[in-house]
Amino acid sequence: QQQVKQSPQSLIVQKGGIPIINCAYENTAFDYFPWYQQFPGKGPALLIAIRPDVSEKKEGRFTISFNKSAKQFSLHIMDSQPGDSATYFCAAKVTGNQFYFGTGTSLTVIP
Amino acid sequence: NAGVTQTPKFQVLKTGQSMTLQCAQDMNHEYMSWYRQDPGMGLRLIHYSVGAGITDQGEVPNGYNVSRSTTEDFPLRLLSAAPSQTSVYFCASSPYRGETEKLFFGSGTQLSVL
Repeated sequence: QQQVKQSPQSLIVQKGGIPIINCAYENTAFDYFPWYQQFPGKGPALLIAIRPDVSEKKEGRFTISFNKSAKQFSLHIMDSQPGDSATYFCAAKVTGNQFYFGTGTSLTVIP
Repeated sequence: NAGVTQTPKFQVLKTGQSMTLQCAQDMNHEYMSWYRQDPGMGLRLIHYSVGAGITDQGEVPNGYNVSRSTTEDFPLRLLSAAPSQTSVYFCASSPYRGETEKLFFGSGTQLSVL
């Protein structure tokens, strides 16, 4: 059973568009929600993360929106660029650094 | 800094063969873990360790063994490989204690079991 449900599976946007990737969870014991970015042939790398006591976090062009009551969080990429084309994974952590990952979203930004 | 180093990058096994995937980190991280990545499944935790001599199971531990004799190394052993273990394997580490839960990933091992 997938602990963190991620959608969509793939996404194609024009340069400058704002792709949005959504994740949902059920386990209220999760205490940390990161997003990872993965390029082909590479390992995932931390992009941005949020804790459940915060509703929004921005780092550069990347924003996480967090809705604790709905148990949902999303990643927004402002002014998307072709270099943002990658696979994005949401994740959630429980005590002890056990991370549960979503199934991934393949993003393509068309020039 | 080398970070997290995984070897080999590619491996082909026959069903029933055994092998060890190597993982080493030079950041003095206490926490190390192994994930497998399959299409449509995301990353799933196999085993993890919070320090030398301490290991525990993740979501999908069956068919895999681990040990942690040093802080730096966390090898993953396949005792009798099966086609279902064809996957890309990632090792990840983090400081565990302190202010960050950031996972640092290696570049992966692509394993095919025929």
